[in-house]
Amino acid sequence: GNSVTQMEGPVTLSEEAFLTINCTYTATGYPSLFWYVQYPGEGLQLLLKATKADDKGSNKGFEATYRKETTSFHLEKGSVQVSDSAVYFCALRTINSGGSNYKLTFGKGTLLTVNP
Amino acid sequence: NAGVTQTPKFQVLKTGQSMTLQCAQDMNHEYMSWYRQDPGMGLRLIHYSVGAGITDQGEVPNGYNVSRSTTEDFPLRLLSAAPSQTSVYFCASSYDFTSYNEQFFGPGTRLTVL
Repeated sequence: GNSVTQMEGPVTLSEEAFLTINCTYTATGYPSLFWYVQYPGEGLQLLLKATKADDKGSNKGFEATYRKETTSFHLEKGSVQVSDSAVYFCALRTINSGGSNYKLTFGKGTLLTVNP
Repeated sequence: NAGVTQTPKFQVLKTGQSMTLQCAQDMNHEYMSWYRQDPGMGLRLIHYSVGAGITDQGEVPNGYNVSRSTTEDFPLRLLSAAPSQTSVYFCASSYDFTSYNEQFFGPGTRLTVL
């Protein structure tokens, strides 16, 4: 089956620090990969995605590259801000050969706190 | 567009009570799903639907029912609430079931079962 493993949190950084949140996956078939962000008290929002190997997703200064050889999709940002404080979820989605598996598989989430 | 809306935002139930969590989307999305979010567990899929009249079970369907009579609405029914169903529930939709299309999430319903 499919699974996503992301680094345990919480992660606490100072403003302007470099961020990496590791994400690795196992999947049957050829997955699309996503990072979702959840701000306090809100639902999840798509942050970025990549649909094939070597694709780089980017948004709001965040980046992640789809690495098929290492089955990874690590999230990075060069200079975090207080407003980036949130929970970040790595996720994948595949469709099996029978066309019946449409679900998103999520990692457990990583809480990021950025201090001024 | 309102996107994905959920009601209520908060609910407290007693063990054994039943209730329906409402979910609606105005984006004409074919695919809709329900997740529950528990601390340290990420999001787990309860039920999903690939179109009106078609539903299927996810990872944790026990104790929940769904129906999809229209494209817009996808209610989640708790038949007899249990404390183990205390959680935050999210409804999500996407244009179709193609793997690369993002899912749009509602704001969530926080349910407490006493």
